Amino acid sequence: EPEVTQTPSHQVTQMGQEVILRCVPISNHLYFYWYRQILGQKVEFLVSFYNNEISEKSEIFDDQFSVERPDGSNFTLKIRSTKLEDSAMYFCASSDYGESNSLSTDTQYFGPGTRLTVL
Amino acid sequence: AQSVTQLGSHVSVSEGALVLLRCNYSSSVPPYLFWYVQYPNQGLQLLLKYTSAATLVKGINGFEAEFKKSETSFHLTKPSAHMSDAAEYFCAVSLSQGGKLIFGQGTELSVKP
Repeated sequence: EPEVTQTPSHQVTQMGQEVILRCVPISNHLYFYWYRQILGQKVEFLVSFYNNEISEKSEIFDDQFSVERPDGSNFTLKIRSTKLEDSAMYFCASSDYGESNSLSTDTQYFGPGTRLTVL
Repeated sequence: AQSVTQLGSHVSVSEGALVLLRCNYSSSVPPYLFWYVQYPNQGLQLLLKYTSAATLVKGINGFEAEFKKSETSFHLTKPSAHMSDAAEYFCAVSLSQGGKLIFGQGTELSVKP
């Protein structure tokens, strides 16, 4: 069964450093998302991406964040200058889109997450 | 703005007992509703979704949920808990197909032998 993969599983960085979190969505999916979960808090939406551009972003997704689909298979989240409060689990998701009500259509499939620790 | 509230951050049941995980939502338009499960060290896996077809939705692993518009609820149930059901369960709402998911805070389910 196809799945979303994310690398690395755990990233430790110093405050102020840049990090890039990588995701490989399911191959025929066209919609891509990043979410994050700070320890003990809700899973929060960061950004959605379609047709090589951001379709929606949350207020969390400020100028320190950027997303890219550099080569048609990877989907990356970059944090330019990490802060302590960026420490969280970051989830990538992808979906297709259609009119069917089947379980798989228009379902966001999540990767296992990258745990980012900012020291 | 839409929101999701899950009552009870931790629910404990005995093996074979009924599982009931509560979810209430707030939405200005007819919502799309989802339940996801997260096993330790894994990503979020879809259990079931409501997209304005039947109000009783059946999902994987014997779970089902009923959409009740009058109560703005989408509670998750399973008639008989199994040890393997121990995990964290998230209710989520979206305003549109393909739109962002708004999650509840999650409910951790423990199953006692």
